[in-house]
Amino acid sequence: EAQVTQNPRYLITVTGKKLTVTCSQNMNHEYMSWYRQDPGLGLRQIYYSMNVEVTDKGDVPEGYKVSRKEKRNFPLILESPSPNQTSLYFCASSAGHSGANVLTFGAGSRLTVL
Amino acid sequence: AQSVTQPDIHITVSEGASLELRCNYSYGATPYLFWYVQSPGQGLQLLLKYFSGDTLVQGIKGFEAEFKRSQSSFNLRKPSVHWSDAAEYFCAVGREGSARQLTFGSGTQLTVLP
Repeated sequence: EAQVTQNPRYLITVTGKKLTVTCSQNMNHEYMSWYRQDPGLGLRQIYYSMNVEVTDKGDVPEGYKVSRKEKRNFPLILESPSPNQTSLYFCASSAGHSGANVLTFGAGSRLTVL
Repeated sequence: AQSVTQPDIHITVSEGASLELRCNYSYGATPYLFWYVQSPGQGLQLLLKYFSGDTLVQGIKGFEAEFKRSQSSFNLRKPSVHWSDAAEYFCAVGREGSARQLTFGSGTQLTVLP
């Protein structure tokens, strides 16, 4: 089944404790992206990647890092999480990287930073 | 830069009633327009999309949307709502040549009364 898999689905952590949210897709998609969803704000893009070793900032990249060493994986790294990073995170992928491409989303990762 | 406005934060309808969710966009050229649905605990799923051609597009689950250039709108409609349609709905706009892909609206939460 074609899918985007995120882990963990739920995580509670404390301020400053580094964490990584993994994202993997099995569709050989070139484009991958991370969004955060907050009430009343919709989805905002954190980082995106157009291919292996090619990443760029989205609208809200502060406090996050990403890497794209393999085509299928695009982990989101929070080096020193803070409470304002408490949010619902989605990874998504698409075959191409123009605005006409349909995104396939993961099920989401709910992160709470205490 | 493009933007998307969903003026209704929350809508409540009775099962069997008709539904219209509003979406207005701001973009200089012809945009790519999408509606996604997010069911509780799930990722986002594409309902329908508009790129060009016929301004009335059909999607999954009996939904349709109409692109009105003069009003910069892309409203989502369904003639008869089912209880399983209760979810959050997001309108999104993409543009050609943009690797940042989509800009999402803030979402409309739909409640369906029995």
